[in-house]
Amino acid sequence: AQSVAQPEDQVNVAEGNPLTVKCTYSVSGNPYLFWYVQYPNRGLQFLLKYITGDNLVKGSYGFEAEFNKSQTSFHLKKPSALVSDSALYFCAVSNDYKLSFGAGTTVTVRA
Amino acid sequence: GAGVSQSPRYKVAKRGQDVALRCDPISGHVSLFWYQQALGQGPEFLTYFQNEAQLDKSGLPSDRFFAERPEGSVSTLKIQRTQQEDSAVYLCASSLIAEKGLAGDTQYFGPGTRLTVL
Repeated sequence: AQSVAQPEDQVNVAEGNPLTVKCTYSVSGNPYLFWYVQYPNRGLQFLLKYITGDNLVKGSYGFEAEFNKSQTSFHLKKPSALVSDSALYFCAVSNDYKLSFGAGTTVTVRA
Repeated sequence: GAGVSQSPRYKVAKRGQDVALRCDPISGHVSLFWYQQALGQGPEFLTYFQNEAQLDKSGLPSDRFFAERPEGSVSTLKIQRTQQEDSAVYLCASSLIAEKGLAGDTQYFGPGTRLTVL
């Protein structure tokens, strides 16, 4: 079985401040971890993924995520948030072909 | 390039009606997935195709749900005798290759079909 927890339903930050969206996972075997973003009435857009190698993964739009095996976490970060980053963010885990998603975190960046 | 497309974008059905949802994956993508996203929740896996073969349908909620991909490209998700609990967004995703045991392929999602059953 595999699962993801996103402990925060909402994250609010001011524009220009660092943004962190938390994710912890549970999976047997090697984890493959993903972050997606969803804008209203649109599908999920891929941001980044961890497969193997460096624990710090860089992705689209200035986002990065750090894989921490001992804490089973894969937190999403952006050093300086933009108002346009306001959206719904999903973390997902897989050890085969199925993705298991968290419930999502709504990010609001205020000007 | 063209991404995953789905149609219709919105569908309203009366309880008991049958519906068919279409997915056009990215050209050349071998794998195709259907997910169901209930309001306020993350997507949940329904079924997986590799080319025309349906290799996993373990997530389909009942035998009223049926999916096909007869020529290995376009896929249709059919729901018979719709119920109110079927109301959700149905997302289709495709990836270049994602065989059982080979994880890590990026799945690219379509915009979804929002189904409302009255």
